[in-house]
Amino acid sequence: AQTVTQSQPEMSVQEAETVTLSCTYDTSENNYYLFWYKQPPSRQMILVIRQEAYKQQNATENRFSVNFQKAAKSFSLKISDSQLGDTAMYFCALMDSNYQLIWGAGTKLIIKP
Amino acid sequence: GAGVSQSPRYKVAKRGQDVALRCDPISGHVSLFWYQQALGQGPEFLTYFQNEAQLDKSGLPSDRFFAERPEGSVSTLKIQRTQQEDSAVYLCASSLTWSSGNEQFFGPGTRLTVL
Repeated sequence: AQTVTQSQPEMSVQEAETVTLSCTYDTSENNYYLFWYKQPPSRQMILVIRQEAYKQQNATENRFSVNFQKAAKSFSLKISDSQLGDTAMYFCALMDSNYQLIWGAGTKLIIKP
Repeated sequence: GAGVSQSPRYKVAKRGQDVALRCDPISGHVSLFWYQQALGQGPEFLTYFQNEAQLDKSGLPSDRFFAERPEGSVSTLKIQRTQQEDSAVYLCASSLTWSSGNEQFFGPGTRLTVL
């Protein structure tokens, strides 16, 4: 069975600092997708970044980048120059050929002014 | 509409009551997903539609849960004889096609509280 593990329940950093959120996963498939979603307080889930497992190059989206280590089944998210609006729950998720998203328990990220 | 909408946003039910939760996906989106998110946890998959066909309902926790999407657009998640353990946020998401890896766009969720 596929699993996603986020080992950091909560993190806090000062505004403008860089922060890295950890995620490990397990799947027996060779072709799958990994996602980071953001859920701000009382607001809906939005996609932050997506990685296709067969692509070796790490995905980047402006201040957001990932460190994808396929052999280690690790998929961490780095947020550079953090902003107050980055405060949210961050969820790591895995999608395989069944189209289901398998989610981690989330990391609560607090950006302090 | 610009995004996925869900109604009601909040629902309080007495144990044993039936509830119906509605999802309006983004117009033209083929795939529709339902998730259950318990307090302080990540979402868990419930069921998945491609147009009007329910292709996967493996995540539905019991036969009290039923979902439909009769015309391939709006979907309803129905919970019969609600129990306290059904209390959660129910999230609906849609995606443009059925291709694996497509972004899922989420609604704001319906927070169900069963007393």
